[in-house]
Amino acid sequence: EDQVTQSPEALRLQEGESSSLNCSYTVSGLRGLFWYRQDPGKGPEFLFTLYSAGEEKEKERLKATLTKKESFLHITAPKPEDSATYLCAVRGGLYNFNKFYFGSGTKLNVKP
Amino acid sequence: GAGVSQTPSNKVTEKGKYVELRCDPISGHTALYWYRQSLGQGPEFLIYFQGTGAADDSGLPNDRFFAVRPEGSVSTLKIQRTERGDSAVYLCASSLDGTGVYEQYFGPGTRLTVT
Repeated sequence: EDQVTQSPEALRLQEGESSSLNCSYTVSGLRGLFWYRQDPGKGPEFLFTLYSAGEEKEKERLKATLTKKESFLHITAPKPEDSATYLCAVRGGLYNFNKFYFGSGTKLNVKP
Repeated sequence: GAGVSQTPSNKVTEKGKYVELRCDPISGHTALYWYRQSLGQGPEFLIYFQGTGAADDSGLPNDRFFAVRPEGSVSTLKIQRTERGDSAVYLCASSLDGTGVYEQYFGPGTRLTVT
């Protein structure tokens, strides 16, 4: 069964304390892994797309990496404004490759 | 430019009633997606349109749910005989096309509460 699991469910960091969020997936025929940021009461906001193992993408304090089974979102020296829920999604599947499977997210709280 | 808009932002209805939720995608985006998000969960795929046609409706939970996109732009998600379990935030997203090369832009969602 196609599935996406994110860990941890919640993460509290002090400002400047770097850490990583994990997204593990089981999907046949991966056609992209996506990271989103979601603020309360808003729709998800696109961050990155990764397509193949070994690929990395960076944006400000965020860096996303991809292996054959999982992806990491590394947050370097986070600031309070980085507080949000971070969602991972995969696109793929043998029969429904237009479906996007989302994880439940990691709720990040960065304290000043 | 304008992003994806959804109306209404909030909808409260009684069990058994019919509701319509509207999505206005970004102009020129041919792909449109509907998702449902329950509290503390990630979005759950419902249906995907490429142009006017529903290319994948495998996520619709049952035949009370139906969606249309008659002119290839605005889409309406229709829920008949609403149940309390239908309460959730319904998100719409659009993309330049459905290849997955282009990112999805999400609207703010419609919060549906069935009493």
